[in-house]
Parts: sequence; structure tokens; C-alpha cells
Amino acid sequence: QKEVEQNSGPLSVPEGAIASLNCTYSDRGSQSFFWYRQYSGKSPELIMFIYSNGDKEDGRFTAQLNKASQYVSLLIRDSQPSDSATYLCAAGGTSYGKLTFGQGTILTVHP
Amino acid sequence: DTGVSQDPRHKITKRGQNVTFRCDPISEHNRLYWYRQTLGQGPEFLTYFQNEAQLEKSRLLSDRFSAERPKGSFSTLEIQRTEQGDSAMYLCASSPIPGRETQYFGPGTRLLVL
Repeated sequence: QKEVEQNSGPLSVPEGAIASLNCTYSDRGSQSFFWYRQYSGKSPELIMFIYSNGDKEDGRFTAQLNKASQYVSLLIRDSQPSDSATYLCAAGGTSYGKLTFGQGTILTVHP
Repeated sequence: DTGVSQDPRHKITKRGQNVTFRCDPISEHNRLYWYRQTLGQGPEFLTYFQNEAQLEKSRLLSDRFSAERPKGSFSTLEIQRTEQGDSAMYLCASSPIPGRETQYFGPGTRLLVL
């Protein structure tokens, strides 16, 4: 079992729709969770981080964390073609701050 | 505020050669990380520095890999006797806040071993 698992997709949504990305983690000691966006051939770019159970909103993005279920999600409202990328979920907090990444979910937003 | 920088951005080498990559973190970030990413996978942790001290190394980091951060500023990652399996994107990240792991990535060095 991988420590952080994501649906690899691809996930395809129409422009203007809500994209929902999911992630589960196995290490209950994980304390912090991150979503990164990665365009093809580029490095990961931090979108959001969340440490506490519940929702955290930032513009069109909402991160949700449920530690009891070991589940993290990212919602993207009003999806745009420019949101098309690979979204990486990462968990941290167990060892010197290293992050453990999932394999990423490919999102395609079509006009 | 300049971001994390890495050099070179691309490197093509022949199997058996040694390569060295450099990472300059965001100014005053005392934590520096190296990750490796292959196609279709998320980044995998390699090693971590707090200031000049290398505090953790992944078992992925074989004896052919060595990393340094001599003055607690920039870091180098050297791969000796490269193998085709070393072909990957090597990512450097830095973090400013002890107790929180918000990490900012550089552009990466893409290595191709022929």
C-alpha cells in the first residue's frame, strides 16, 4: 500500500464546473497536507496547505481534511482550461518535514 | 524575493560519468530538500538539510549519491557512475518555518543518462 494515494485519472471536466480531487494517506502521524499543481515539464507549485480538520478556502480552491478518515480533497470551482495540470497531494509532519507525495491526478478542463 | 534556483536545468550524460547539480534556496530558508521525480510519479524524497547538517537520507540514495550544503546556503547533489535508471527530474525545495513543512520547489534539473 502506498503511503499517499490519489486517483491517477485523468479527470476531465467542462469549463466552469467543479473539479474534485481526492487523496488518502496511511500514516496517522501525518500532520500537514499540501496540494501542488504541476504543469507538464515544470516543477510543482504550491496551491494550498491544510493542517486542521475541516475546510480551508482560498479563492476558487477549497481543501478539505478529515483525519479520522485519513482523507484529503481539493475542490476547484469554476474550472478553467488553465487549471489543466497534474495535481499532487502530499503529507508531512512525521519526519524532519519531508513530504510524501501521491502519484498525482491529471486534470483536464475542456472548453 | 527570488525563488529557489537550480543549475543546470538540463543535463545529458553518458552512463558511468559523474554529474553535479546545484540548488540555491530562497534566502534565509534554513531547510533544504532534494527530491527525484520520474515520469508519471510524484516526487520522492532523497535527503534533507537543516542549515549545513544533513539530517536524513532516503534509502533511495545509494552510495553513488552524495549531497552537501557546506555553509548552510546553496547545496550540491552529486551522482557518481551514473546509470540509465538515474534519468529523472531532480527537484530542490526549501522551507522557511520550523514546525511547518511548506516547501517551495525550484525549476528542477532534468537528467538524461544515455
